[in-house]
Amino acid sequence: GAVVSQHPSRVICKSGTSVKIECRSLDFQATTMFWYRQFPKKSLMLMATSNEGSKATYEQGVEKDKFLINHASLTLSTLTVTSAHPEDSSFYICSARDLTTGGEEDEQFFGPGTRLTVL
Amino acid sequence: GNSVTQMEGPVTLSEEAFLTINCTYTATGYPSLFWYVQYPGEGLQLLLKATKADDKGSNKGFEATYRKETTSFHLEKGSVQVSDSAVYFCALSDPGGSYIPTFGRGTSLIVHP
Repeated sequence: GAVVSQHPSRVICKSGTSVKIECRSLDFQATTMFWYRQFPKKSLMLMATSNEGSKATYEQGVEKDKFLINHASLTLSTLTVTSAHPEDSSFYICSARDLTTGGEEDEQFFGPGTRLTVL
Repeated sequence: GNSVTQMEGPVTLSEEAFLTINCTYTATGYPSLFWYVQYPGEGLQLLLKATKADDKGSNKGFEATYRKETTSFHLEKGSVQVSDSAVYFCALSDPGGSYIPTFGRGTSLIVHP
């Protein structure tokens, strides 16, 4: 199946700094990528939908100025947590959809996740 | 709107026991249904899927049948192994919702030797 990578896998930063997380589709072109946040013992919360070449669509309650998403190419989307605070500590997961090679519209491929810890 | 409800965990079983994790859904359209598995510290992996009523998805000994009449997609395995210990997520993808997935809260499975 298609492979999605995330980098870094783990990051620890000081409060007030910004952190960038990359999500790459390695062997397919991802027209759409999704960013999720996962809290301990809870489900995935969809943060935003990222479409290549256009602005991301954020879910209700997600601060778009705090969580900046850029999907500049068909293989890369980035999530930047700006001015991070301890409450932003979480597990962030991206997923990608491949519609360019006959992939099914409802099939998503998930990255391995990034553990963010803000001190 | 769409929603997915999973049984509360954790589910604790001995090796070789039978597993059932219940999942029910509500959807406005005709969704595809999925089970994903998440091993500790990792992202989600697709375990199995079913795209229409009465379809049975199966993989690695796990199976689930799309039951439209009961709006359910229960996950089953006849004999679990320690290596099956993980969190399992039921999800749906609704073409009427632009295929943006809706996840259940996840059910943790712990299998003891």
